[in-house]
Amino acid sequence: GAGVSQSPSNKVTEKGKDVELRCDPISGHTALYWYRQSLGQGLEFLIYFQGNSAPDKSGLPSDRFSAERTGGSVSTLTIQRTQQEDSAVYLCASSLFGASYEQYFGPGTRLTVT
Amino acid sequence: GQQLNQSPQSMFIQEGEDVSMNCTSSSIFNTWLWYKQEPGEGPVLLIALYKAGELTSNGRLTAQFGITRKDSFLNISASIPSDVGIYFCAGPGQGGSEKLVFGKGTKLTVNP
Repeated sequence: GAGVSQSPSNKVTEKGKDVELRCDPISGHTALYWYRQSLGQGLEFLIYFQGNSAPDKSGLPSDRFSAERTGGSVSTLTIQRTQQEDSAVYLCASSLFGASYEQYFGPGTRLTVT
Repeated sequence: GQQLNQSPQSMFIQEGEDVSMNCTSSSIFNTWLWYKQEPGEGPVLLIALYKAGELTSNGRLTAQFGITRKDSFLNISASIPSDVGIYFCAGPGQGGSEKLVFGKGTKLTVNP
């Protein structure tokens, strides 16, 4: 079956612009997660959705970051007024309810802020 | 906060050799997961461990959940060139959330 898909795969933007990153989870997976991976680092949790609700958004680094999920499926991560330190790979993962620690990742969106 | 420490940071081995890497934490984990990430890809789940002392295999990979619950080990037997990548350990974050915390990874290079 289809895995987690993310778009775009690469995004280059100018400092100060807004960007939207999209995630399509595996069909039937109710949980969805966003992580950020800076160069040479492990993954840093951003936000978690169960259905369309976000019970844990504790990892969002600032109020410039927001995310939503609609229809229990697609999610969008929005970064407003991008800064150079936002440059990273943004990874989305999904999981089945009850098996939340077994998370399946998409290929990521590489964001470069110039 | 929770931290997972992986060692070694990198490994350079010859094809056919066995590999061993580990992950330690100052706090107790009830679940350990091992992921592999190749360049330009997202991490792929290799093995999930749920019980202290558990030993689980996936092909040439074997992972163990340490009995102290503060460590886990991953072994790869008879390495091949496609084993190249970064191996991450992960465990549940604090506060009852479904999030995972990750180590910084062990980068494996296999020379043919």
